[in-house]
Parts: sequence; C-alpha cells; structure tokens
Amino acid sequence: AQSVTQPDIHITVSEGASLELRCNYSYGATPYLFWYVQSPGQGLQLLLKYFSGDTLVQGIKGFEAEFKRSQSSFNLRKPSVHWSDAAEYFCAVGARQAGTALIFGKGTTLSVSS
Amino acid sequence: DSGVTQTPKHLITATGQRVTLRCSPRSGDLSVYWYQQSLDQGLQFLIQYYNGEERAKGNILERFSAQQFPDLHSELNLSSLELGDSALYFCASSVMQGAQETQYFGPGTRLLVL
Repeated sequence: AQSVTQPDIHITVSEGASLELRCNYSYGATPYLFWYVQSPGQGLQLLLKYFSGDTLVQGIKGFEAEFKRSQSSFNLRKPSVHWSDAAEYFCAVGARQAGTALIFGKGTTLSVSS
Repeated sequence: DSGVTQTPKHLITATGQRVTLRCSPRSGDLSVYWYQQSLDQGLQFLIQYYNGEERAKGNILERFSAQQFPDLHSELNLSSLELGDSALYFCASSVMQGAQETQYFGPGTRLLVL
C-alpha cells in the first residue's frame, strides 16, 4: 500500500539550531515528493517539491530537502531555525502522472524554544 | 497567499444538516481537489474535478458530493451531517508543467458539527 511516514510527531528545537524532519515513503514507483507547512489556523503552504534531477532541492524560507531513493526518504532540513518556523510540517507524495491526489504523512509539529 | 480561495472560513451547524463549501481555484488552473483534515485520519483525499468533470474519487462518503462549474469554481456538499464530519476541509488547485503537477491549497473551511 502507498503510504508516507513521518516518524516524529513532535520536535522541539532551539532557535538558531539546525533542523531535520524525517519522511519515508512506500510507493510502487518513485513518486513526486512535496513538503507543505501549516501554521496555526492557516492553510497548507508549499515549501518545496521534487520531480527529478538534482536530489537536493531548495525551497522557500531557507528550507531544503534531499531525496534518497535507496532509503525511500525525503528529509526536510534547515540550517538555522527561527521562531516563526513553529508550525506543522507535512510530507506528501504523488504519482508521476497528472491528476493524482497526494498522499500525506500525519505531520510533524515543530516547536521552537528561545 | 496561494491564490486559492475558500468560503466560508468557519461553519457551525447541527447534526442532520446540509452545508455547501465553496472553492475558487487559481486563475488558469483547471483541476480542483478536495481534502479532509481530521485529528484521527489526517489529510485524506476526497474527490477531484478537472475542467468540470469528476476525475477521481478517494475516501468520500456517499453523503458527500461535489461539482465543478463552468467558471471552474467548485462546491463540496455535505449532507446528513454527523459529529464525526467535523474537520478542516481544504481544496487545492493544480498547475501543470508537462506531466509535473503541483497542488496549491486554499486556507480551508473549518466545519464544526454540534
């Protein structure tokens, strides 16, 4: 079955520290990969996406993610976290064809301590 | 701001009632997806429309239906509401770059069934 696993339900990071959020997927073929962020009371904002090519992709707000095919992973990273990064982060996968719904992980809530 | 609009932002209603949620996609996007976000199920795909036609169905209950109009806005109709239908309902519209599709989400409609 197709699925996305975000092993960490909640992570707390100090402001200025680095961050890595884990995402593993189970899919029949290499999917398209996405990270979205949801701030409290807000919708889902696209952080970055991977379709093909360079396995290290850059996104908005200083985030990056690395696709590792051998590990079926697409971990999200940021070198220095800001208090405004506190939010819920969702990893999602989609099929390599148009018109396919995304499958989301359960999300990781990030808290930032001062 | 993703460019996807949803109304209303909040909706409070009673069990057994019927409600309609509205979504306007980004200018030029032909595809609309509906998702439900609940605490126990996470983000689940409900249904997709493309240029007025239903394209795919996910975990959508028979009490729920949707349509996409000629101006491409979409409505999700929820009837015979139950307490368990309380959730955040998102719509997303998508942009195609060849076979690569990116979904952009609206701010959501928070439904509370009492």
